[in-house]
Amino acid sequence: GQNIDQPTEMTATEGAIVQINCTYQTSGFNGLFWYQQHAGEAPTFLSYNVLDGLEEKGRFSSFLSRSKGYSYLLLKELQMKDSASYLCAVLSDYKLSFGAGTTVTVRA
Amino acid sequence: EAGVTQFPSHSVIEKGQTVTLRCDPISGHDNLYWYRRVMGKEIKFLLHFVKESKQDESGMPNNRFLAERTGGTYSTLKVQPAELEDSGVYFCASSRGTSYEQFFGPGTRLTVL
Repeated sequence: GQNIDQPTEMTATEGAIVQINCTYQTSGFNGLFWYQQHAGEAPTFLSYNVLDGLEEKGRFSSFLSRSKGYSYLLLKELQMKDSASYLCAVLSDYKLSFGAGTTVTVRA
Repeated sequence: EAGVTQFPSHSVIEKGQTVTLRCDPISGHDNLYWYRRVMGKEIKFLLHFVKESKQDESGMPNNRFLAERTGGTYSTLKVQPAELEDSGVYFCASSRGTSYEQFFGPGTRLTVL
């Protein structure tokens, strides 16, 4: 089976940094994705890690450790528009298995 | 390039009725996926098409759900008859060829009363 855990909620101040952790236990692994989802909208792709290490893309970075079954998404220089749900998802055989999502609230 | 579109955005039906959801993938994307999120739970995989063929339907909950992709373009997901536990948001996603990146539609919110 698939087990993907991430915190339910996080709150941070505008301009700060927030790190969202994700741990997983899955029967297969072809990579780990992070998606951002605003209420009522489509999940949108943020990052993809298949090898261990850090992938940086602007204000967002994602880290993967396959041996530990662990990833994190780092959001820097937080903006109000970053308030959203962040979904950790493991890809296996073309299927995505999702965590329940972390709701990030950015306060002024 | 237009994104993945889904119709309707919302549907409210009574238990026992039939509902058909439609997904139009990004043009040229051979892979089409259906996922669903029921209240308070995570998004879960339903099935995967490659062109018009069902590649993996291991996530389909039962035989009240029927997905089709005639001609390998748009797809429909029919629920017949609908039950209360079918309520949730149904997402469609598509991807190109062997690419792993899946692009999601905005979802159809289904409410069964």
